Amino acid sequence: QVQLVQSGAEVKKPGSSVKVSCKASGGTFSSNAISWVRQAPGQGPEWMGGIIPMFGTANYAQKFQGRVTIIADESTTTAYMDLSSLTSEDTAVYYCARDISPDITRPTWFDPWGQGTLVTVSS
Amino acid sequence: DIQMTQSPSSLSASVGDSVTITCRASQSISTYLNWYQHKPGTAPKLLIYAASSLQGGAPSRFSGSGSGTDFTLTISSLQPEDFAAYYCQQSYSLPITFGQGTRLEIK
Repeated sequence: QVQLVQSGAEVKKPGSSVKVSCKASGGTFSSNAISWVRQAPGQGPEWMGGIIPMFGTANYAQKFQGRVTIIADESTTTAYMDLSSLTSEDTAVYYCARDISPDITRPTWFDPWGQGTLVTVSS
Repeated sequence: DIQMTQSPSSLSASVGDSVTITCRASQSISTYLNWYQHKPGTAPKLLIYAASSLQGGAPSRFSGSGSGTDFTLTISSLQPEDFAAYYCQQSYSLPITFGQGTRLEIK
């Protein structure tokens, strides 16, 4: 049974960057997609992008293009999401989630999810 | 992008009631529709995938139906642990998009 454990909460200044990690254990890592989804207060979830670790190429939502970088380290079975040029609108809980699909352009469903990482952007 | 519209945005019900949540896609998505349950401070949980398939471990009182643009999630005989937020999500095309959610509260 795959389990995803994320890094802890972060408080960041506007204009800075944040890097959130997602450690996978208990199952396959390299051949399934890992996506990042965020949820701002009072809003629905928002897909940011995803990666297939064994291929290493990420696919990003256009909204975040140029500002987000998703990478995966097969040796440590850990995925990372780096978001730059933070503003208060980036205050949200960030989740990683596994998709059984081996093709990021053909998603299926997310199971399991990480526990979430609260990122607060405040001056 | 495919827009997902859920209704209602909130719902009050009692233990034992049956409730239905709807999700409408802005274009046809066949059966590429998933439902999640989310309780505060926890990881979202997959309930239904591919519109009508019950995820392993999910109680059988949860059921999903629909295809094309209109989908429903039905919870029969509500239990105390069912009071949570529910989200639909399309996986027909990128970017993956979610509904705004339905908050199910105890009456």
